[in-house]
Amino acid sequence: AQKVTQAQTEISVVEKEDVTLDCVYETRDTTYYLFWYKQPPSGELVFLIRRNSFDEQNEISGRYSWNFQKSTSSFNFTITASQVVDSAVYFCALSEDTDKLIFGTGTRLQVFP
Amino acid sequence: DAGVIQSPRHEVTEMGQEVTLRCKPISGHDYLFWYRQTMMRGLELLIYFNNNVPIDDSGMPEDRFSAKMPNASFSTLKIQPSEPRDSAVYFCASSLEPGRGETQYFGPGTRLLVL
Repeated sequence: AQKVTQAQTEISVVEKEDVTLDCVYETRDTTYYLFWYKQPPSGELVFLIRRNSFDEQNEISGRYSWNFQKSTSSFNFTITASQVVDSAVYFCALSEDTDKLIFGTGTRLQVFP
Repeated sequence: DAGVIQSPRHEVTEMGQEVTLRCKPISGHDYLFWYRQTMMRGLELLIYFNNNVPIDDSGMPEDRFSAKMPNASFSTLKIQPSEPRDSAVYFCASSLEPGRGETQYFGPGTRLLVL
């Protein structure tokens, strides 16, 4: 069965600190897709990134970077030099070759000035 | 391009009343999903459609909930009668081919409070 674990319920950092949000997934499929979404205090769910199981290259987008490691079934998200605007709940999600998306329970990140 | 549009953004109603939530998916997206988010249960998939046809409604809590998609650009989620435990944020999302890893894009959500 597919499952996504975000063990960190809440993380607090001070602005400019680097922070890593962990995501561990379980799947028996060889083809699958991983996602990160951001939910800021305003409530909407914003898509950040998608990764397929055949592409283990790390990705960097500005201050955001993602580390995908199949060997440890992890898809971790790092924010470099965090800012107050990064404060949000971040969700990791998994889909196999079905139409459904399985979400983790989310990690609440609070960045203090 | 416009994203997924939901209305209303906020709804306050009294127990027993009918509530209708509306969604317009991104043009060209064949899949539409309805989710509910609560503190206790997180994000739950209620039902989803492909080409306007309901595919899986196993997440619909009970018969008080119903969803329709009369055409490719409009869907409704109805709760009748509403109960306080239905209070939640309801999201609509749309996608191209999620089974091939296409991204689901979410609307802004409808925050429902049933008194």
